[in-house]
Amino acid sequence: GAVVSQHPSWVICKSGTSVKIECRSLDFQATTMFWYRQFPKQSLMLMATSNEGSKATYEQGVEKDKFLINHASLTLSTLTVTSAHPEDSSFYICSARVRGTGVMNTEAFFGQGTRLTVV
Amino acid sequence: SQQGEEDPQALSIQEGENATMNCSYKTSINNLQWYRQNSGRGLVHLILIRSNEREKHSGRLRVTLDTSKKSSSLLITASRAADTASYFCATDGDLRYGGATNKLIFGTGTLLAVQP
Repeated sequence: GAVVSQHPSWVICKSGTSVKIECRSLDFQATTMFWYRQFPKQSLMLMATSNEGSKATYEQGVEKDKFLINHASLTLSTLTVTSAHPEDSSFYICSARVRGTGVMNTEAFFGQGTRLTVV
Repeated sequence: SQQGEEDPQALSIQEGENATMNCSYKTSINNLQWYRQNSGRGLVHLILIRSNEREKHSGRLRVTLDTSKKSSSLLITASRAADTASYFCATDGDLRYGGATNKLIFGTGTLLAVQP
């Protein structure tokens, strides 16, 4: 299957700093990528949809200025957590679906996730 | 909530037994998918069932879909200790507004523990 690479797998940062997380589709083009957040023992909550060449679409309650998303190419989307605080500590996961016809009927491929700890 | 519901939340069984997990959703869908997540890792796609399908098999996995009841079930037969993981259903639907989108919305998940 297609591969999505997410980097870094874990990061510890000081409160007030910014952290960038990268999500790459390695062997396919992804016009759309998705960013999720997951708290311990809970499900994935969709944060935003990242669209190549245009602005990201954020879910209700997600701060756009807090979680900056850039999708500059068909294989790379980045999520930047700005001015991070301890409550931003979480597991962040990206996913992408293969570009092509019938995109809504394809599986999603997930990165391995990034464990962010803000101290 | 934007999520579908899954039950049970947690399931503990012995190796060799079958495990059944259920998922309910609220909107019309194009398809329903099941994913597996090992602790602290990304998700792995297991199986996709389209809205016009009622049952699908893949190895030891069997998925059913009842669109009239807006529900699905995942059966894992002859479970193994390595099946221990969280299992999530996901739909191509925006549960707040109805209708299908290209976004995957996940259910609450079932934590399966298979005892050796």
